[in-house]
Amino acid sequence: KQEVTQIPAALSVPEGENLVLNCSFTDSAIYNLQWFRQDPGKGLTSLLLIQSSQREQTSGRLNASLDKSSGRSTLYIAASQPGDSATYLCAACSNDYKLSFGAGTTVTVRA
Amino acid sequence: KAGVTQTPRYLIKTRGQQVTLSCSPISGHRSVSWYQQTPGQGLQFLFEYFSETQRNKGNFPGRFSGRQFSNSRSEMNVSTLELGDSALYLCASSFKPHWPGNTGELFFGEGSRLTVL
Repeated sequence: KQEVTQIPAALSVPEGENLVLNCSFTDSAIYNLQWFRQDPGKGLTSLLLIQSSQREQTSGRLNASLDKSSGRSTLYIAASQPGDSATYLCAACSNDYKLSFGAGTTVTVRA
Repeated sequence: KAGVTQTPRYLIKTRGQQVTLSCSPISGHRSVSWYQQTPGQGLQFLFEYFSETQRNKGNFPGRFSGRQFSNSRSEMNVSTLELGDSALYLCASSFKPHWPGNTGELFFGEGSRLTVL
């Protein structure tokens, strides 16, 4: 059974600082890994999708890396802004074709 | 392009009752999956439908069921509600199903928040 862990559970940084969010998974046989953002009481917004054959994916200030062999993915957010405050979740799609989510990292960017 | 629409957004039920939640996917998307989100268990996969067929199922009791219609709209039903069913139920759509091996970006709705008293 795939277990996905996100550390830390919460993070507070001053505006302008770069953010590094970690995601680890126990079963390296994944098809893809996806990063989402969730605002309080809202649904999830897809940020980046990394296929198993890719090492990284970039969109604007966001960059996500994937290391299947070590079971890790990292989301980097450059030059953080108060609007980046949210909970960030990663989800691994395993060989049973089910998505397993981490518990998320709640980010607060202080103005 | 309209996003994923879930109705109702909020509802309150009592133990023993049943509830039906609805999800309309993004136009052109044929895969719909459902998730339960609770503070204790986080996000857990319920089931996925593609072309009116259940393609995958999570580890939930038979009280949780779903279906998909020919227009790709989906409903999920929870019978004999328990207090522990209180959660945010999220629906997601994608163009391709997550089985077998066709992986694609998921688009989520805002969820239906169910409170069981």
